[in-house]
Amino acid sequence: QKEVEQNSGPLSVPEGAIASLNCTYSDRGSQSFFWYRQYSGKSPELIMFIYSNGDKEDGRFTAQLNKASQYVSLLIRDSQPSDSATYLCAVNELRGSGGSNYKLTFGKGTLLTVNP
Amino acid sequence: DGGITQSPKYLFRKEGQNVTLSCEQNLNHDAMYWYRQDPGQGLRLIYYSQIVNDFQKGDIAEGYSVSREKKESFPLTVTSAQKNPTAFYLCASSLQPGHLNEQFFGPGTRLTVL
Repeated sequence: QKEVEQNSGPLSVPEGAIASLNCTYSDRGSQSFFWYRQYSGKSPELIMFIYSNGDKEDGRFTAQLNKASQYVSLLIRDSQPSDSATYLCAVNELRGSGGSNYKLTFGKGTLLTVNP
Repeated sequence: DGGITQSPKYLFRKEGQNVTLSCEQNLNHDAMYWYRQDPGQGLRLIYYSQIVNDFQKGDIAEGYSVSREKKESFPLTVTSAQKNPTAFYLCASSLQPGHLNEQFFGPGTRLTVL
């Protein structure tokens, strides 16, 4: 069973600090990685994705990928109370034959609390 | 507005009843997905469809059925064979299945069995 692991938290940071969210995955063949934010009682919303080793920045968010270590992270700079949510890591994995049969496997999420 | 809609938002079912959850998208996406989320858990894939008139079982398909007669619609039926159906059901779509596979979610349906 392919797995995506996240620390469940809660991760608590003060307003203005950097929040660091981590995710490890078991399938070495995974090619793309996604971060979703989910507010309580709501559906997940896509924050960003990454598929090349290194960093990808989008506003206050930076995704980091290290395929050799099977590790992906999300940094949130200048954290705001509105960033308080559960952050889901998702890994796109090739399942079966055919070359186009990809599925997302989700971690259980990390609960982030940003304190004013 | 383009997007994904799900209905109803809340659904109550008596034991032994089948219920159907609606999912519609006007994004012209080829692929559609159904997930289930339980409290404190990640999303688990129930069924997915990469193209009209075709669908595949996900990781937890038992007790569920789907159809994909139109590109825009992917309804999910929760049958009486599903022993623990109370959960938050999420529908998603992506432009094309593939290694980028950015999936966008509808607002969800919360199903409760009485």
